Amino acid sequence: DTAVSQTPKYLVTQMGNDKSIKCEQNLGHDTMYWYKQDSKKFLKIMFSYNNKELIINETVPNRFSPKSPDKAHLNLHINSLELGDSAVYFCASSQDRSGGKTQYFGPGTRLLVL
Amino acid sequence: AQTVTQSQPEMSVQEAETVTLSCTYDTSESDYYLFWYKQPPSRQMILVIRQEAYKQQNATENRFSVNFQKAAKSFSLKISDSQLGDAAMYFCAYRSAYNNNDMRFGAGTRLTVKP
Repeated sequence: DTAVSQTPKYLVTQMGNDKSIKCEQNLGHDTMYWYKQDSKKFLKIMFSYNNKELIINETVPNRFSPKSPDKAHLNLHINSLELGDSAVYFCASSQDRSGGKTQYFGPGTRLLVL
Repeated sequence: AQTVTQSQPEMSVQEAETVTLSCTYDTSESDYYLFWYKQPPSRQMILVIRQEAYKQQNATENRFSVNFQKAAKSFSLKISDSQLGDAAMYFCAYRSAYNNNDMRFGAGTRLTVKP
């Protein structure tokens, strides 16, 4: 059983489109995250959610919006896609917000904006 | 702001040999957590090992161990008896115990294992 799953695995789209990436965790965790890994492999946190509340929002464009229908899901919506949005996006979850809790990552979604 | 530096973009090791990956970090905090993650070609991020800053004893997980030097702000990963499956990108990560919603990663080290 996959602990953290993401769909789709690959996403190719045109500039200006709106797209969503879904994330689900079956670990019963309270906190979920979205990370962006750019072409240089640098990994940076974008958002985290704890019990449906946004608790961190890095300086990402407001075209990106996380939506959490319940604590097992944290979907990433991206409006008006730009070339620079091309990257691999990872979802992750942890038991709670405390720093010592291990984050479990999903398999990643490779987004290519043409 | 906390920064994490991995000074070795690439490393290689012979199968069955030992290799050490370097990581240094910059922080003014006294309590934090350090992690090593492995990212194979499948792109999955897999936790390798973690260390609590308040623990003096170095963490060990089977063939993986760390050399944690708090004063020097150094957190190196040693892989013993390297296996072909160890080939991957390795990321060092820092997480504050105070601002615990923030986690920062180094730029990664690509490890190649030669048969």
